[in-house]
Amino acid sequence: GQNIDQPTEMTATEGAIVQINCTYQTSGFNGLFWYQQHAGEAPTFLSYNVLDGLEEKGRFSSFLSRSKGYSYLLLKELQMKDSASYLCAVKDSNYQLIWGAGTKLIIKP
Amino acid sequence: GAVVSQHPSWVICKSGTSVKIECRSLDFQATTMFWYRQFPKQSLMLMATSNEGSKATYEQGVEKDKFLINHASLTLSTLTVTSAHPEDSSFYICSAGELAFESYEQYFGPGTRLTVT
Repeated sequence: GQNIDQPTEMTATEGAIVQINCTYQTSGFNGLFWYQQHAGEAPTFLSYNVLDGLEEKGRFSSFLSRSKGYSYLLLKELQMKDSASYLCAVKDSNYQLIWGAGTKLIIKP
Repeated sequence: GAVVSQHPSWVICKSGTSVKIECRSLDFQATTMFWYRQFPKQSLMLMATSNEGSKATYEQGVEKDKFLINHASLTLSTLTVTSAHPEDSSFYICSAGELAFESYEQYFGPGTRLTVT
């Protein structure tokens, strides 16, 4: 079966750095996405990785290791508005997105 | 980025009635649209994938006769929840994308919160 694992919840302090991990086992791999979802709202796109390595975009970076079936999302200089759920999703061999359950990130002042 | 709209943003209906939710891609043509359902504190659950001009592909466990999907044009897909029951109360989100073999980002609508009383 296909499976994506993320921690259920994480807590971090405003101004700090947090890393949200995602491991996956899917039938094929055609890219990994990270989305942010605030409560009661639809997800918004954060990043896309298809090759190994680190993709940096402002305060957010995403890393991928295809051999390990592993990715992480790194958030720097945390702000209160970063409190949200972060969803990891993998596109499988049929180009269908397989979604993780999401990681709820709580930012404390 | 591309914009996807949904209408209505929220709806309350009585048990046994039907509700139609519209999903529109405003500034691009979406060959593929996806319908998701999300219960509180749970992740997105894909309900069905629809391609313009053809029948939708439903995920296992989703009743196609209850959740009617029509994708009549490249900019509009509709989801009709027929004979709604309280357990159908959920957050319904559509997304649209252009089918490509490279990366393609799914653009999400703002969601529709359905409450069945």
